[in-house]
Amino acid sequence: EVQLVESGGVVRQPGGSLRLSCAASGFTFDDYTMYWVRQAPGKGLEWVSLITWDSSRMDYADSVKGRFTISRDNSKNSLSLQMNGLKTEDTAFYYCAKGLPYGSGWGFDSWGQGTLVTVSS
Amino acid sequence: SYELTQPPSMSVSPGQTARIPCSGDALPKQYSFWYQQRPGQAPVLVIYKDNKRPSGIPERFSGSNSGTSVTLTISGVQAEDEADYYCQSVDATGTYVVFGGGTKLTVL
Repeated sequence: EVQLVESGGVVRQPGGSLRLSCAASGFTFDDYTMYWVRQAPGKGLEWVSLITWDSSRMDYADSVKGRFTISRDNSKNSLSLQMNGLKTEDTAFYYCAKGLPYGSGWGFDSWGQGTLVTVSS
Repeated sequence: SYELTQPPSMSVSPGQTARIPCSGDALPKQYSFWYQQRPGQAPVLVIYKDNKRPSGIPERFSGSNSGTSVTLTISGVQAEDEADYYCQSVDATGTYVVFGGGTKLTVL
């Protein structure tokens, strides 16, 4: 059974930094593209970032480009998101999501339960 | 920036058919995906590659693509289908992942 467990969500002041982690199990981690998706309380889903299986490609939403950095450690089955220069609009639940198998397109077939990041002074 | 457009809300009676549309200029070239999100829960994939159903998803869920519009169809709607539904795809270059704004489906 696929399991994705996010951690690291806390309260931070604007301008601060934070690192989110996602522990993956139940599948061959280094076979899949991984994603971060966020959802502000009461709002819709917003894609944040993706990283391919070999870290050869990393992409970011315009809203976080230059401030957030995605990374993965295939030896530890873990995904991370380094968040710098936090803004109040970054307040959201952050989900780690597993990509579909190669050839199935850029969608996600498993999600974690999310971790809440609150940016407030 | 690329956008996917969905109606914010829809309502349907139990046993009827719900058809949730999603439009976007790149949909003729890029696959679409649909997610169900119940209150307080993480999203669940219900349709991938426009019309494929993951294992464990009931047969009453189906997807279709007609050019710049895709549709999630729920036949014989049940009370448990009341949820938010999001379409998702990528832009024409395949660089940016995009979600629609979500449709809140109410089962009357």
